[in-house]
Amino acid sequence: GAVVSQHPSRVICKSGTSVKIECRSLDFQATTMFWYRQFPKKSLMLMATSNEGSKATYEQGVEKDKFLINHASLTLSTLTVTSAHPEDSSFYICSARVSGMNTEAFFGQGTRLTVV
Amino acid sequence: LAKTTQPISMDSYEGQEVNITCSHNNIATNDYITWYQQFPSQGPRFIIQGYKTKVTNEVASLFIPADRKSSTLSLPRVSLSDTAVYYCLVGARPMDSSYKLIFGSGTRLLVRP
Repeated sequence: GAVVSQHPSRVICKSGTSVKIECRSLDFQATTMFWYRQFPKKSLMLMATSNEGSKATYEQGVEKDKFLINHASLTLSTLTVTSAHPEDSSFYICSARVSGMNTEAFFGQGTRLTVV
Repeated sequence: LAKTTQPISMDSYEGQEVNITCSHNNIATNDYITWYQQFPSQGPRFIIQGYKTKVTNEVASLFIPADRKSSTLSLPRVSLSDTAVYYCLVGARPMDSSYKLIFGSGTRLLVRP
């Protein structure tokens, strides 16, 4: 199957700093990418949908100025957590939809963010 | 998007068949049913998708009754490595512009030796 790669897999940052998470589709073009966050023992919560070349669509309750999403190319989307706080500590997962195909979205391996 | 209801957890033993049922009473005509598997600290992995009747692949079968208000994921002869959380999702096909995956609470399956 298609491969979606996230980087980094783990990151620790200090409160008040910003951290960027990359999501790459390695062997296919992804018109649309999705960003999720997941707390321990909980389900995935969709944060936003990003389409290449346009602004991301955020789900209700997700602060767009807090979680900056950029989808500059068909193979790369980035999520930047700005002015991070300990409550932003979570597991962030991206997924990508293969352009032009009726194929389910593929997920990255996730990024564990810890804000200290 | 249709809401789904699944059992919170299930226990099984190695070699048994496991059936996880999902209720989706408000499923729309154009909605498809998709199941994902997730291991701890990993992204979800696609298992199977269907619209009606029965779908089978190398890892699972999906049974959907005529009214489509529920579906059952069947895992034949589970092994310890099948211990994971299984999510049932209902929504548009990937080709549709409205496509997005909304996860419910999932079913935590524990396979015992």
